[in-house]
Amino acid sequence: EIVLTQSPDTLSLSPGESGALSCRASHSLSTKYLAWYQQKPGQAPRLLIYDASSRAAGIPDRFTGSGSGTDFTLTISRLEPEDFAVYYCQQYVNSPLTFGGGTKVEIK
Amino acid sequence: EVQLVESGGGLVQPGMSLRLSCAASGFTFEEYAMHWVRQTPGKGLEWVAGISWHSGNIDYADSVRGRFTISRDNAKNSLSLHMGSLRAEDTAFYYCAKDSQVMTTVTFWYLDIWGRGTLVAVSS
Repeated sequence: EIVLTQSPDTLSLSPGESGALSCRASHSLSTKYLAWYQQKPGQAPRLLIYDASSRAAGIPDRFTGSGSGTDFTLTISRLEPEDFAVYYCQQYVNSPLTFGGGTKVEIK
Repeated sequence: EVQLVESGGGLVQPGMSLRLSCAASGFTFEEYAMHWVRQTPGKGLEWVAGISWHSGNIDYADSVRGRFTISRDNAKNSLSLHMGSLRAEDTAFYYCAKDSQVMTTVTFWYLDIWGRGTLVAVSS
């Protein structure tokens, strides 16, 4: 089973600032088998990024995914009030699918 | 509109069974793998089980293998999860989720549509 470790646990930012969320895998995910999700309180997760760097439909370009191998990053630029949420990474290079523990982006 | 609606959650005693259902609409259900993902209140996401479009590829998390059974009825656009020998640690919101790849014969992929979830509470 591939373990995904996200850091930091919490990221405190002000609206308009930018931040970087890390996801590290215990084994290589090749160039692309990583997705990112956003989850707000009381809601289901929403797909943001797939194949490490491709934005899902309707996702604004202030969300950028990058990385390969074992190290991946989600960068959020110019934070909007609606971006404060928990973010999870997920690998799909093999089964079982696994998720990282999440990073909470909170208002500073 | 693409939609997944879960049902069947509730309060159940340890050792008992429960069956969750997921009704799909707005897409060609029979062409996509489907999954169950759970989340303990206030905690992270855990993939529970997945089933391929033709039911030929099924896999489970080690934590539920041998106790839970995933199945689907393509004629009814329906996904199910039979949960047996329930434990307190199975308490969670259970989400139904759609795989992103059409008729994949390889592995499972990322999840592009999620339901709103149904709460299962296991307690005496």
